[in-house]
Amino acid sequence: DAGVTQSPTHLIKTRGQHVTLRCSPISGHKSVSWYQQVLGQGPQFIFQYYEKEERGRGNFPDRFSARQFPNYSSELNVNALLLGDSALYLCASSFRALSSLNTEAFFGQGTRLTVV
Amino acid sequence: GQNIDQPTEMTATEGAIVQINCTYQTSGFNGLFWYQQHAGEAPTFLSYNVLDGLEEKGRFSSFLSRSKGYSYLLLKELQMKDSASYLCAVKKAAGNKLTFGGGTRVLVKP
Repeated sequence: DAGVTQSPTHLIKTRGQHVTLRCSPISGHKSVSWYQQVLGQGPQFIFQYYEKEERGRGNFPDRFSARQFPNYSSELNVNALLLGDSALYLCASSFRALSSLNTEAFFGQGTRLTVV
Repeated sequence: GQNIDQPTEMTATEGAIVQINCTYQTSGFNGLFWYQQHAGEAPTFLSYNVLDGLEEKGRFSSFLSRSKGYSYLLLKELQMKDSASYLCAVKKAAGNKLTFGGGTRVLVKP
């Protein structure tokens, strides 16, 4: 079975541009979460979607948005890119919403975004 | 808010044992994860503890004490490939998210 897949793996963008990152969860998983990991730090939560509805939002500006599609894949959009948005963006897949007991989260390989 | 603390860096010798501690302060605790992350790669799931006690998986074990807000990850028979960052993450019943510590970088020396 394929694990969590993310695309693209690497991306270079210019300040002010926008970017769309994509994630396909593990087959059968209905929840997708997005995390930002700056070099040398732990991942920071951005969004969680379950059954195509937003179920959680982290402390990120409105420039960050996401959505989940009927096939449970997800997109993370970032507008008006800043240099500080340079990071590894991770997608995590789980069968249920993470608030459920005994629900584990599995990460994709990430998209490394560099803003210049 | 949540505070999750783990040491920044640890060094150990190949074949030895290393214990990585994680302390947390949170309400509505709903489980604790340990992930391994090699440089430039995504975190890989190692363990999930929701009840007190020790969970053993081969060379890796994870322990949880909910009353003390404390967990550890024990790595036995260290191998060079175990050199990585180890992330402790706490899940709450509400909020649908994992909150991560800063990670512990483990360096295994020959």
